[in-house]
Amino acid sequence: QTVVTQEPSFSVSPGGTVTLTCGLSSGPVSTSYYPSWYQQTPGQAPRTLIYTTNTRSSGVPDRFSGSILGNKAALTITGAQADDESDYYCVLYMGSGISVFGGGTKLTVL
Amino acid sequence: QVQLVESGGGLVKPGGSLRLSCAASGFIFSDYYMSWIRQAPGKGLEWVSYISSSGNTIYYADSVKGRFTISRDNAKNSLYLQMNSLRAEDTAVYYCARKGRAWWYFDLWGRGTLVTVSS
Repeated sequence: QTVVTQEPSFSVSPGGTVTLTCGLSSGPVSTSYYPSWYQQTPGQAPRTLIYTTNTRSSGVPDRFSGSILGNKAALTITGAQADDESDYYCVLYMGSGISVFGGGTKLTVL
Repeated sequence: QVQLVESGGGLVKPGGSLRLSCAASGFIFSDYYMSWIRQAPGKGLEWVSYISSSGNTIYYADSVKGRFTISRDNAKNSLYLQMNSLRAEDTAVYYCARKGRAWWYFDLWGRGTLVTVSS
C-alpha cells in the first residue's frame, strides 16, 4: 500500500515563509512522480497550484513555488498572506494510471 | 467558459446504485483524459478513476475496483461514474477533473456533487 505523507498541520506568520513537504512511504520522491500541489478552502473545489514539480499553474502568484528537497517534493510559500490559510494537497503519479493524494496539510496563517 | 459541472448526487441506501454525470464545456473534451476524485466529509482527497480521451483505457483505485465504472460520451461532452454496491464509506463529494494535456496532474476541477450512502 503506497502512502503519500504530508504534515497534518503547519502555521506561518503573515509575511513569513513556509515549506510543506510530500513524501513517499516506499522511498524518495523524484520528478518522475510528477508531483503536483492543490489548494482547497472549506466548501470549495481544489485549485491547482503547481504541476510537474515546479511549474506554476496559470494565474498562481510567484510566491508559490515547488521543488524537490531531499527525498520529498516541497511547496514553498514566500510572503504568506491571510488568504493562504487553506488545506494543501500533493499528488504523486505512481505509474500505470495510478495517482495518490497525500493526506493534506492544514495551513494556518497567524 | 471552460468548466466542468457535476450532477447526479444524492442519498442512496447501502448496496444501492447511483450514476454521476459531468458536463464539460469551453474546451475540446475529446482531447483530454478525465478523472473522478472524491472527498469524504472532513477528510482528504482521494483519486478514484481515470479514463483516456477515447475511452479505451481506464484505471481505478483499488477501493472502487469492481464496483464503479467510469465512461464518457465525447459526442455529448460528458463524463460518467456508475457506482454500484455502494457502502457508507463511499459517502463523499465527488469531483470531476480534467487531466493535464501532457502531464499527470489535474488542471481543471468541477465544484463537486455530494453522494450520501445511508439507510
